[in-house]
Amino acid sequence: AQSVTQPDIHITVSEGASLELRCNYSYGATPYLFWYVQSPGQGLQLLLKYFSGDTLVQGIKGFEAEFKRSQSSFNLRKPSVHWSDAAEYFCAVGARAAGNKLTFGGGTRVLVKP
Amino acid sequence: KAGVTQTPRYLIKTRGQQVTLSCSPISGHRSVSWYQQTPGQGLQFLFEYFSETQRNKGNFPGRFSGRQFSNSRSEMNVSTLELGDSALYLCASSFAKPGTDTQYFGPGTRLTVL
Repeated sequence: AQSVTQPDIHITVSEGASLELRCNYSYGATPYLFWYVQSPGQGLQLLLKYFSGDTLVQGIKGFEAEFKRSQSSFNLRKPSVHWSDAAEYFCAVGARAAGNKLTFGGGTRVLVKP
Repeated sequence: KAGVTQTPRYLIKTRGQQVTLSCSPISGHRSVSWYQQTPGQGLQFLFEYFSETQRNKGNFPGRFSGRQFSNSRSEMNVSTLELGDSALYLCASSFAKPGTDTQYFGPGTRLTVL
């Protein structure tokens, strides 16, 4: 069975500082990996996705993520955080065998200090 | 192109009642998935529909059901509501290819059971 772990429940970062959110997954085959962001009262917005190919993936809003198969990780990074990046971030894993079912991590809430 | 729409956005019901939530996918998308989001359990997959057929199902009791119409619009129904059914219900749509398609989420329906 697939599982996703986001070790950090909350992260506080100063505006302009870098951000890294951790994601570890468990899946036997090659997973499809996603990062979504959710602002309060909103649905989920896709930041980026990894299906295959280059392990460094660029997304929207200046985010990037790196797939490391040896570490079963797909960490999300942003070089310089803006106040508008305050939100909850979810890592998710899918697989061809699972159809369109996504398994989500518990989320990491990011607070941005001025 | 319009995004995924969900109606109603907010709903208050009492225990024992039933409820129907609606989801209209992005034009051209044929797959619709439903997720439940709660503070305690996080984001959990309910089921997925494609071409009016349930293609995948999560671990929820039979009180949770759904259907999809020929225009790809989907409804989910929860019968005999329990307090624990209070949640944000999210709908996501994608084209068709299982596991490789990006899923786009709607804003959700906030269900409160009193």
